[in-house]
Amino acid sequence: GAVVSQHPSRVICKSGTSVKIECRSLDFQATTMFWYRQFPKQSLMLMATSNEGSKATYEQGVEKDKFLINHASLTLSTLTVTSAHPEDSSFYICSAPRLNQDTNEKLFFGSGTQLSVL
Amino acid sequence: KQEVTQIPAALSVPEGENLVLNCSFTDSAIYNLQWFRQDPGKGLTSLLLIQSSQREQTSGRLNASLDKSSGRSTLYIAASQPGDSATYLCAGGGFQKLVFGTGTRLLVSP
Repeated sequence: GAVVSQHPSRVICKSGTSVKIECRSLDFQATTMFWYRQFPKQSLMLMATSNEGSKATYEQGVEKDKFLINHASLTLSTLTVTSAHPEDSSFYICSAPRLNQDTNEKLFFGSGTQLSVL
Repeated sequence: KQEVTQIPAALSVPEGENLVLNCSFTDSAIYNLQWFRQDPGKGLTSLLLIQSSQREQTSGRLNASLDKSSGRSTLYIAASQPGDSATYLCAGGGFQKLVFGTGTRLLVSP
């Protein structure tokens, strides 16, 4: 079963509104989570690293005031797209690292959120 | 800066064929390399993870190899099935932070 839950799976909103996307780790704690964005026919690009209890770190070119990240607990990170515009329409996906039985760390991904801004 | 390239971009095969997907990366100081499967409009499913100290991993009909010296990884799919149709992504890089390739879109026809 899924170890990372992401909601909503799809959202359509009007230009200028804000959209919140949730990413939850199930049955394990994640002090770090990652947010990616994927435009059509392009690869996933890391947007930011969400850190529990501290500020997120953003990749170059990603506006921190537009993409607000909150990691308030060890199992929940949220990404809020503020004042969304059509160019923000994209597939957003989160991931969280988890140690497997061999003590190797593996990244697990949510199911993604398709955002369409009209 | 790590860059990951996948070849081919798209592949169409009849059911039953064995096939190889290729992934190349520019920085050999790679922590691990993962292969993922992505279905349209959905998230990623991790298929195989190869640690930097390993050379290959196998899971069922899938086998992935890693050659750090040449900066290459391959995903071998044996006896392909229509259910294997998806986009396959490889991703490598430093600890936790993965750099993704653009993927190979695979179509297996009955």
